[in-house]
Amino acid sequence: GESVGLHLPTLSVQEGDNSIINCAYSNSASDYFIWYKQESGKGPQFIIDIRSNMDKRQGQRVTVLLNKTVKHLSLQIAATQPGDSAVYFCAESSNFGNEKLTFGTGTRLTIIP
Amino acid sequence: DAGVIQSPRHEVTEMGQEVTLRCKPISGHNSLFWYRQTMMRGLELLIYFNNNVPIDDSGMPEDRFSAKMPNASFSTLKIQPSEPRDSAVYFCASIPYGDLGGYTFGSGTRLTVV
Repeated sequence: GESVGLHLPTLSVQEGDNSIINCAYSNSASDYFIWYKQESGKGPQFIIDIRSNMDKRQGQRVTVLLNKTVKHLSLQIAATQPGDSAVYFCAESSNFGNEKLTFGTGTRLTIIP
Repeated sequence: DAGVIQSPRHEVTEMGQEVTLRCKPISGHNSLFWYRQTMMRGLELLIYFNNNVPIDDSGMPEDRFSAKMPNASFSTLKIQPSEPRDSAVYFCASIPYGDLGGYTFGSGTRLTVV
């Protein structure tokens, strides 16, 4: 079936550096994507989203890039901080009147002080 | 707003026992979701409700699992009888109708079946 997957399960980045987390999806009908951050012992928290009619969206220290041609999504975190250490998930929806999100398996980001 | 509230935070039970997980969505949110998270399978959608009505339960693994939403402010996920392979973190999430960007997750219930 359709799935959302991640290239790397773990990523370590020096504090202050930029990080990039990647996500591949296979559902060509996906038209809405969200990045979530999950800290230990907590539920996933919304970071940023993007619709398929865009290829880039920026938030505070975060940027999401969408390449529909190769079905690839990335999350860039600028000037990483210790508080950025968490597991990051991408999720997608093919919004044909449904509210279901399909989540990727997650990437653990560790910020090295 | 206190967010999505789940109880209990942790549950340890013996195989064969009934387990009931509880969720209170954010007031005004029309849709409620139950997810299960494991290392092997990640976050899986079990069932979701819209206006208290189950819309899609295709993710419910088997008949041992059941979910109800008797009113807009309360939902339960029940496992009877529980098995060790049900051990996971179960999350509840709610959104205003159709607002996927408004997904808010609870803190989860960590279930251990021994």
